[in-house]
Amino acid sequence: NAGVTQTPKFRVLKTGQSMTLLCAQDMNHEYMYWYRQDPGMGLRLIHYSVGEGTTAKGEVPDGYNVSRLKKQNFLLGLESAAPSQTSVYFCASGRIQGTETQYFGPGTRLLVL
Amino acid sequence: GQQVMQIPQYQHVQEGEDFTTYCNSSTTLSNIQWYKQRPGGHPVFLIQLVKSGEVKKQKRLTFQFGEAKKNSSLHITATQTTDVGTYFCAVRYFGNEKLTFGTGTRLTIIP
Repeated sequence: NAGVTQTPKFRVLKTGQSMTLLCAQDMNHEYMYWYRQDPGMGLRLIHYSVGEGTTAKGEVPDGYNVSRLKKQNFLLGLESAAPSQTSVYFCASGRIQGTETQYFGPGTRLLVL
Repeated sequence: GQQVMQIPQYQHVQEGEDFTTYCNSSTTLSNIQWYKQRPGGHPVFLIQLVKSGEVKKQKRLTFQFGEAKKNSSLHITATQTTDVGTYFCAVRYFGNEKLTFGTGTRLTIIP
């Protein structure tokens, strides 16, 4: 099993450009999450999904959109990138909510100039 | 809002010394998890604590959950270079099943 994979690993964008980050998991997990990690701020939840076709806002959703068209994939979109969105983005998945372990992908480093 | 304080932010220790990081919440917790992130890596689950006063051990690591379920600690005995990384607590509040991560404690080891 590959676990949780993320594409791309690294990307440089100019302000105003758009892009989509792809997360895929092969563990048949219901729950998927997108976090961003900035120095000194830990991990902050952007959006999450409790199942195929459903999404919900997390702690810092502004400037991002998500879609969960297939159970194994969770996409994070930036419609108009801003320098404040320079960060490391982690996707995670979990089997059930409430007590489950979250399994993280390797991360995507995004630099917005 | 609900806050999770993790202290210290950084810790430098000589190899072989002990290390402790603390996680404190102003609100009673449903449960707490601990994760480790190696430099350049991603968070990896270490353990989950659910019961008041719970203590769990993994080799040189000891995890404690406070009696009031508002705080937790991770203690490493006789640190090794493989312990380098950032340790995060991640908490769940009652009625809110999402994880809230602490800011992490970055551990560096002086050989």
